[in-house]
Amino acid sequence: AQSVTQPDIHITVSEGASLELRCNYSYGATPYLFWYVQSPGQGLQLLLKYFSGDTLVQGIKGFEAEFKRSQSSFNLRKPSVHWSDAAEYFCAVGASKGNTDKLIFGTGTRLQVFP
Amino acid sequence: DTGVSQDPRHKITKRGQNVTFRCDPISEHNRLYWYRQTLGQGPEFLTYFQNEAQLEKSRLLSDRFSAERPKGSFSTLEIQRTEQGDSAMYLCASSLDGGDTQYFGPGTRLTVL
Repeated sequence: AQSVTQPDIHITVSEGASLELRCNYSYGATPYLFWYVQSPGQGLQLLLKYFSGDTLVQGIKGFEAEFKRSQSSFNLRKPSVHWSDAAEYFCAVGASKGNTDKLIFGTGTRLQVFP
Repeated sequence: DTGVSQDPRHKITKRGQNVTFRCDPISEHNRLYWYRQTLGQGPEFLTYFQNEAQLEKSRLLSDRFSAERPKGSFSTLEIQRTEQGDSAMYLCASSLDGGDTQYFGPGTRLTVL
């Protein structure tokens, strides 16, 4: 069965520091992978996605993620965090195109940014 | 393109009452999804539509829950005889087709007293 693990429930970083949020997935075929961000009381905003091709994908707000098939990982990175990046981050996996494409989400990582 | 919209944004109800939520997807998006998110958890899939056809329902969707998308545009999610365990954020998303990016609405937060 498909699953997503986000090992870090809560991460705290200083503004300007680099960031890496971990995501591991379980899926039998080539997955579709997503990172979404959620501010308090809000819906989810797509940061970036991986469908195929280049394993390093660029997203909005200066985020990037790297798909590593050998490690079943899709970690999210940002070289310099801004205070406005404080939010909840969710990694998700979707089934291949043409099949039921419900998203399976991880439990999220809450990012706190100190000035 | 105004994005996915949901109404109401907040709903407070008493246990045993019925509630209905509405979702308006991005125009021309064929697929529409409902997810439920409880505190401290990621969203969990409830059901999805391809145009007006409901193609899959999660086992999370008990008999008290029903969803419709009568004309292949907006969708409604009804919960009958609400229970305190139904308190959650109900998220709607839409995509152009299967496997495409899902765009989420702001959600409806339900509180059952």
